[in-house]
Amino acid sequence: AQKITQTQPGMFVQEKEAVTLDCTYDTSDPSYGLFWYKQPSSGEMIFLIYQGSYDQQNATEGRYSLNFQKARKSANLVISASQLGDSAMYFCAMRVAGNSGYALNFGKGTSLLVTP
Amino acid sequence: EAQVTQNPRYLITVTGKKLTVTCSQNMNHEYMSWYRQDPGLGLRQIYYSMNVEVTDKGDVPEGYKVSRKEKRNFPLILESPSPNQTSLYFCASSFQLVGGLNTEAFFGQGTRLTVV
Repeated sequence: AQKITQTQPGMFVQEKEAVTLDCTYDTSDPSYGLFWYKQPSSGEMIFLIYQGSYDQQNATEGRYSLNFQKARKSANLVISASQLGDSAMYFCAMRVAGNSGYALNFGKGTSLLVTP
Repeated sequence: EAQVTQNPRYLITVTGKKLTVTCSQNMNHEYMSWYRQDPGLGLRQIYYSMNVEVTDKGDVPEGYKVSRKEKRNFPLILESPSPNQTSLYFCASSFQLVGGLNTEAFFGQGTRLTVV
């Protein structure tokens, strides 16, 4: 079975600081993709960044980077230079090649609060 | 602008009154799916579609129907809604999944459904 674990229910960070949101995953399939999404209080699910299991380099998208440690099965999201607008729920998700329906398996999320 | 559009954003209805939540994407994606998000349960896949006229059940299909007559549209139908279908619903789309993986998985804005 595939599983995503986010161990931090809530995080605080000061504006302009960097923050790391943890994500570990469990799968025996060698082919998988890892996603991070942001869900603000308005409810929409915003795609942030993707990392494939065969990708050699860590993914980066603007202020977002993914610290992919395959041996440890971790895919932590790093947000640099936090902004007040980054306050939201953040979800880590995994899609496995062998998954029925190619469903995204989501973690329970981390609530991030950016303070002035 | 590339996007997945759901309508309505908010809906309050009564038990047993048929309803349809529409979903449309303008990215020419082959793969589309529906999720529901519930507190403590996270996001769960309801139905998915690999392409036009190809649909299949996800993890929680009971009480729902879908259709895929056109590539861009993937409506979710609740023939006889019940209060346990009160939830936040998301439509998502991706390019054809080769080997089960894809670098994109875009979500609509979400539909908050309340069944009384």
